[in-house]
Amino acid sequence: DAGVTQSPTHLIKTRGQQVTLRCSPKSGHDTVSWYQQALGQGPQFIFQYYEEEERQRGNFPDRFSGHQFPNYSSELNVNALLLGDSALYLCASFHRGWHSPLHFGNGTRLTVT
Amino acid sequence: GESVGLHLPTLSVQEGDNSIINCAYSNSASDYFIWYKQESGKGPQFIIDIRSNMDKRQGQRVTVLLNKTVKHLSLQIAATQPGDSAVYFCAENIAGNQFYFGTGTSLTVIP
Repeated sequence: DAGVTQSPTHLIKTRGQQVTLRCSPKSGHDTVSWYQQALGQGPQFIFQYYEEEERQRGNFPDRFSGHQFPNYSSELNVNALLLGDSALYLCASFHRGWHSPLHFGNGTRLTVT
Repeated sequence: GESVGLHLPTLSVQEGDNSIINCAYSNSASDYFIWYKQESGKGPQFIIDIRSNMDKRQGQRVTVLLNKTVKHLSLQIAATQPGDSAVYFCAENIAGNQFYFGTGTSLTVIP
């Protein structure tokens, strides 16, 4: 049973460019959340997708957008990259409902130069 | 956002000793809590969870204690091993919505 998988594992982009990160949730999970983790910090919530719609959003600008597909997989898009967007981007999935733990992938390390 | 904080950012323990990692949360409405372990280069790994209707929950070598009166959560690791060296996060959840994470505590096990 595969867990949460993310691609790519590492990515280097130039300021101003756009990036797309991908995530496949754990089997049986229908909800995907994206987190940004800066070095030495805890994960910060970006947004959550369920039934192909954004359900909740954290304090991130509109440059951050996402999508969820019918097979529950998800993409995170970031436009007009800034140096400060350099971070580990984590995808987490769970089965929607009460008291269901998040299961994380190993993340995509994004470096913006 | 909500505030989930940790009392100690770093913790060093001798191999074989017990470790205690603490976490404070600010929202009394939080009803579900999880401890995660994150090793270098990896995503957070689920360790143990607890619901707000419980005070204590035990797993394999780990115990989570919840004190709702003072909004405090702790993770106890028995007989700490070198493989336990990692950053530990607590996360709180309210009514199935998003999880809020603390900054993390770095645990170093000294052989």
